[in-house]
Amino acid sequence: AQKVTQAQTEISVVEKEDVTLDCVYETRDTTYYLFWYKQPPSGELVFLIRRNSFDEQNEISGRYSWNFQKSTSSFNFTITASQVVDSAVYFCAQGSNTGFQKLVFGTGTRLLVSP
Amino acid sequence: DAGVIQSPRHEVTEMGQEVTLRCKPISGHDYLFWYRQTMMRGLELLIYFNNNVPIDDSGMPEDRFSAKMPNASFSTLKIQPSEPRDSAVYFCASSGLAGGPQETQYFGPGTRLLVL
Repeated sequence: AQKVTQAQTEISVVEKEDVTLDCVYETRDTTYYLFWYKQPPSGELVFLIRRNSFDEQNEISGRYSWNFQKSTSSFNFTITASQVVDSAVYFCAQGSNTGFQKLVFGTGTRLLVSP
Repeated sequence: DAGVIQSPRHEVTEMGQEVTLRCKPISGHDYLFWYRQTMMRGLELLIYFNNNVPIDDSGMPEDRFSAKMPNASFSTLKIQPSEPRDSAVYFCASSGLAGGPQETQYFGPGTRLLVL
């Protein structure tokens, strides 16, 4: 069975600090997909990134970067120079290529960025 | 392009009443998902459809919940009768064929349901 663990329940930082959100996954599948979603205070779920299991290249998008390491089953998310608008709950999720993409979500990490 | 559309955005009802939540998936997507989010249980998949056919409804909590997808552009989630413990945010999401870049699930804004 798949499982996604986000051990950090809540993180508080001051604006301009860098912050890393951890995500550890468990799966027996050889092909799988990892995702990050952002849920701002307004409540919608916003897709941030999708990563295939066969692509371990790290990705950078502006202030956001993702580090995917199969050896440690981790898919961590770093925000550089955090801003107040980054305050949200961030969810890591895993999908399988077996059957269909039933996403398994972690419990989320609430990030509070204060000015 | 329009994303997933859900209505209503907020619903307040009394226990025992019927509640119907609506969803319009992204055009061209052939998978549709209904999720429920609560503080206690987080995000839970209730049911999903492929080409308008329900594939897995194992997450539907009980017979009071039902979902339909009469066509590719519309789905409903119905609760009858509603109970206070059904209070939650209900999300609809859609995605395209597995194996391609469309397989990402895109979520609607959610319906915040409060059953008094």
